[in-house]
Amino acid sequence: NAGVMQNPRHLVRRRGQEARLRCSPMKGHSHVYWYRQLPEEGLKFMVYLQKENIIDESGMPKERFSAEFPKEGPSILRIQQVVRGDSAAYFCASSPLTGVRASTTEAFFGQGTRLTVV
Amino acid sequence: DQQVKQNSPSLSVQEGRISILNCDYTNSMFDYFLWYKKYPAEGPTFLISISSIKDKNEDGRFTVFLNKSAKHLSLHIVPSQPGDSAVYFCAANPQGGSEKLVFGKGTKLTVNP
Repeated sequence: NAGVMQNPRHLVRRRGQEARLRCSPMKGHSHVYWYRQLPEEGLKFMVYLQKENIIDESGMPKERFSAEFPKEGPSILRIQQVVRGDSAAYFCASSPLTGVRASTTEAFFGQGTRLTVV
Repeated sequence: DQQVKQNSPSLSVQEGRISILNCDYTNSMFDYFLWYKKYPAEGPTFLISISSIKDKNEDGRFTVFLNKSAKHLSLHIVPSQPGDSAVYFCAANPQGGSEKLVFGKGTKLTVNP
């Protein structure tokens, strides 16, 4: 997991606040994926981004959630007006290559951000 | 609807013995399968994968078996070591170049010394 940096590791927000989760991919990686893990569940795909481009956001909730991966800087997953049900671990993965076989086996996950909404 | 199922939430084995973790899937469009290992407070780490054109893939102590007709795969760890204690996730990738992985809920493996 070395190299994919997520921060913060833990984030506590009150209901209605905004949460910003950051992911810096490994050096040389231009593909970023966000997954969410609810308690007692597996990881669920949210969004796949390349630099300045959202490739697949089919796993993103329709409201309050957005993601970006700017030309410079980390990828950001933004959750507006958080609710208790948003409490989960959010994982970012990055890969250097496109194409499913390369990306899924070459993708490296960060340590995750654990969001708690109180 | 759970497309990838790991029906055993936990498994306990003795050091040196074989660990067998099972996974079932329902979507016939899945054609690539992966196993990830996850320690507490860390992200998942890729372990081993198998394409649907194969029925077995081996990497050291880890072997994955795929039974397409039964839509079932299993991960064998031989011999099991205490350091293998972790949560193991089965994941599947649909055909067609999708970047999405569909994960099971995981099985917590405990290897006792």
